Amino acid sequence: EDKVVQSPLSLVVHEGDTVTLNCSYEVTNFRSLLWYKQEKKAPTFLFMLTSSGIEKKSGRLSSILDKKELFSILNITATQTGDSAVYLCAVEPAYSGAGSYQLTFGKGTKLSVIP
Amino acid sequence: DTGVSQDPRHKITKRGQNVTFRCDPISEHNRLYWYRQTLGQGPEFLTYFQNEAQLEKSRLLSDRFSAERPKGSFSTLEIQRTEQGDSAMYLCASSWGQGIGELFFGSGTQLSVL
Repeated sequence: EDKVVQSPLSLVVHEGDTVTLNCSYEVTNFRSLLWYKQEKKAPTFLFMLTSSGIEKKSGRLSSILDKKELFSILNITATQTGDSAVYLCAVEPAYSGAGSYQLTFGKGTKLSVIP
Repeated sequence: DTGVSQDPRHKITKRGQNVTFRCDPISEHNRLYWYRQTLGQGPEFLTYFQNEAQLEKSRLLSDRFSAERPKGSFSTLEIQRTEQGDSAMYLCASSWGQGIGELFFGSGTQLSVL
C-alpha cells in the first residue's frame, strides 16, 4: 500500500521567514509526486515532480525530489500571511492495474504565518 | 466560473437518510474523481471515471456509496443509509490527458450526519 508522510504536521512562522516542508513516500511503482495548497476548501496544484534533482520553482516557492531517498521538500522563502494554508503532498503511481488512478495524499502540513 | 463546481456546499442530514451530491467538472476534462477528506487528514480516494466509465473504486468504499457519470459530463455521488462516520468533506476533481497529474478540485460538499 502506498504511503506518504509529511512533516512537520504544523508550523508557525513570522512573515519573512523561510520554511521547508518535508514529504517522504513509499510507492510500489512511482510516476510522480505532487504538491497542493489547501487554503479553505479546494486544494490547488503547485508542482509535479518526476525526476530527481531538478528543482521546480514558482515565485517564492520551490520544490525538489530525491527518488533514491524517497522524499521531497517544498521551500517557501520570504513567507507572507497569504502563504498560510495546509500544504499537501501526494504520490501518483505508474499505471499497472488496480490502484492506478488514485493519488495517495499525506496528512498535510498546516503552515501559519504571523504578521 | 469555469472551474469544478459542487452542489450543495453543505449538507446536514440525520443518520439513516440518503444523500446525493453533484459535481460539474471542467467541460473539456474527461477524467473525474471523488475524494473524501476528514479533519486533519489528506484527501482519500473514493472513485474514478474516465468519460462515463467508472474505472476504479476504492476497496474501502462501502456498498452504501454509489457514483454515476451519465454521458460523461456531471457526476453524482449517493450515500445510502448515512452513518455518523460518513461525516466528511466530499471533494470532486477533474483532469484531462495522460496520467492523473494536475487535478482541479471543487470546493467540496461538507456532510454532517447527526
